[in-house]
Amino acid sequence: DTAVSQTPKYLVTQMGNDKSIKCEQNLGHDTMYWYKQDSKKFLKIMFSYNNKELIINETVPNRFSPKSPDKAHLNLHINSLELGDSAVYFCASSLRETQYFGPGTRLLVL
Amino acid sequence: GQQVMQIPQYQHVQEGEDFTTYCNSSTTLSNIQWYKQRPGGHPVFLIQLVKSGEVKKQKRLTFQFGEAKKNSSLHITATQTTDVGTYFCAGPPSGGSNYKLTFGKGTLLTVNP
Repeated sequence: DTAVSQTPKYLVTQMGNDKSIKCEQNLGHDTMYWYKQDSKKFLKIMFSYNNKELIINETVPNRFSPKSPDKAHLNLHINSLELGDSAVYFCASSLRETQYFGPGTRLLVL
Repeated sequence: GQQVMQIPQYQHVQEGEDFTTYCNSSTTLSNIQWYKQRPGGHPVFLIQLVKSGEVKKQKRLTFQFGEAKKNSSLHITATQTTDVGTYFCAGPPSGGSNYKLTFGKGTLLTVNP
């Protein structure tokens, strides 16, 4: 059974479009995260939710809006996609500090 | 804000050689974690160190946490091709949120068979 899953795995889209990425975890963890990994492999935290409440909101353009319908799900909606949004987006979950990452969503904006 | 530096950025070794990556934080960490990301894969948790001066071993991997809790190292003895990947250190700042990990930029290890 997959612990942290993300859909879609790949996303190719045009500039200006709006897209969503979904994440689900079956580990029973209370906290979920979105990370962005750029082409140089730098991993940067974007958002974190604990029991559906936003607890970390880094300096991210407000075109990015996370949503947690319940503690097992965390989605990321991106409006008006730009070329610079091309990256791998990882969802993760944790019980304490240790983070369990999903397989990633490879987003390419053309 | 907190910065976590890792060196080297890249390391290429012959199979059987040893490898070490170093991690240095600008602030004291409450703990240090190490993750491994295989090419095309996702980061996978390896270990967490909490105590000052702590040393832990996992088979050929040895992890150290500095006395000041600001630096750490990962040493691999006799590398194998399965060790290929990017090794990240990460830690939350001491006194800050334990949920907010700052990751180093990683060390990409390649191994020549």
